[in-house]
Amino acid sequence: DIQMTQSPSSLSASVGDRVTLTCRSSQRIRNYLNWYQQKPGKAPYLLIYAASRLQSGVPSRFSGSGSGTDFTLTISSLQPEDFGTYYCEESYSNSRVFGQGTKVEIK
Amino acid sequence: QVRLVQSGTEVTKPGASVKVSCQTSGYTFTDYYLHWVRQTPGHGLEWMGRINPNSGATEFAPRFQGRITLTRDTSISTASMDLTSLRSEDTAVYFCARAHLADTGGYFLDYWGQGALITVSS
Repeated sequence: DIQMTQSPSSLSASVGDRVTLTCRSSQRIRNYLNWYQQKPGKAPYLLIYAASRLQSGVPSRFSGSGSGTDFTLTISSLQPEDFGTYYCEESYSNSRVFGQGTKVEIK
Repeated sequence: QVRLVQSGTEVTKPGASVKVSCQTSGYTFTDYYLHWVRQTPGHGLEWMGRINPNSGATEFAPRFQGRITLTRDTSISTASMDLTSLRSEDTAVYFCARAHLADTGGYFLDYWGQGALITVSS
């Protein structure tokens, strides 16, 4: 089975900071990698699909990169509304697997 | 607009079964697979299975095989998930989500239901 590992598990940053989240797959998954943001009590919200494609309506400060086993989600200038937990998800295998999440807090 | 509206919170006992429904609107129901994902404190987000609303074909994560049934009713654009032999570890929020095929390959979950909290407790 594919394992997805996210780092860090949590971070605290200031408004305006550049923030980078990492997701690593235990097997090569081409670009079949999606990123979601989740706020407490809400469903996950799609940010990035196919590793680097920005979902319609998502602010351009979010960007994704990577292929194979190593992927990153970058927030170019952190905003107060960007708090929450961010999950990566592989869609390469028949059983989709999510990472354990990175919790982002605003200082 | 696309909407997925799930049935509500339930409290049930160990050994019982639960059915969660997912009523969709705003798109052609049979054009997109529907996936089921649950969220627990211990295991985070877990993919449970998917259904092709057009054919009814299903696929499940191995750990749920034998306990999960996915169905759909195309006349009311609604999908349902049945989970049997419940145990306390099945206490979770259960989500349905629409899958969209990326033009570069792979699927992503672009619309989600609001989630249904299922509590299993004696």
